[in-house]
Amino acid sequence: QVQLQESGPGLVKPSETLSLTCTVSGGSIRSYYWSWMRQPPGKGLEWIGYIYYSGTTNYNPSLKSRVTISVDTSKNQFSLKLSSVTAADTAVYYCARGGYYDILTGFSYYYMDVWGKGTTVTVSS
Amino acid sequence: EIVLTQSPDFQSVTPKEKVTITCRASQSIGSSLHWYQQKPDQSPKLLIKYASQSISGVPSRFSGSGSGTDFTLTINSLEAEDAATYYCHQSSSLPHSFGQGTKLEIK
Repeated sequence: QVQLQESGPGLVKPSETLSLTCTVSGGSIRSYYWSWMRQPPGKGLEWIGYIYYSGTTNYNPSLKSRVTISVDTSKNQFSLKLSSVTAADTAVYYCARGGYYDILTGFSYYYMDVWGKGTTVTVSS
Repeated sequence: EIVLTQSPDFQSVTPKEKVTITCRASQSIGSSLHWYQQKPDQSPKLLIKYASQSISGVPSRFSGSGSGTDFTLTINSLEAEDAATYYCHQSSSLPHSFGQGTKLEIK
């Protein structure tokens, strides 16, 4: 079955760029949407954004000026970059399969049915 | 931006009890509402998609209902393993958003 694994530095200095990669195994990255979420310590979930395998993206406006999500279909990976980080960006970051486009109906369906285990990123000097 | 408000924030319940968690959207989202379960130190798990559609492998005691702005997650005959935080999530419009979560404690 499809599995996702986040990877990247666990510690990032303030003002620097957080970079994470999500590797998809057991299935193709094609034909799906892929999402990033985060969860600050002791708090709820925040949607960061998604990318379609073709490269179309949508971001949370609260982070839009600092976020870039990209995809590498040859490696079955997608990535998150968050620039100018502060302590408020300290969180567990999750990647997830975020939905699919149904070619028969012409509709997109968005829900997170497969999640990675999450990776903790701390912003501190 | 659509705001999702869950109630209650916390509930302490006994095994075999029936539990109802509600999620209210700040504007109509049709049926684009999904439910997740998150146990401590685990990633969220999809329980229900599009308000009422069941997910393969999820116990049948979990069910969802609602449309428009008011939605409900029902857990029939609660089991000890259901201790978790439950989140609703809307994908009707961008940005997608989550409710604040409902923590279930098993007595």
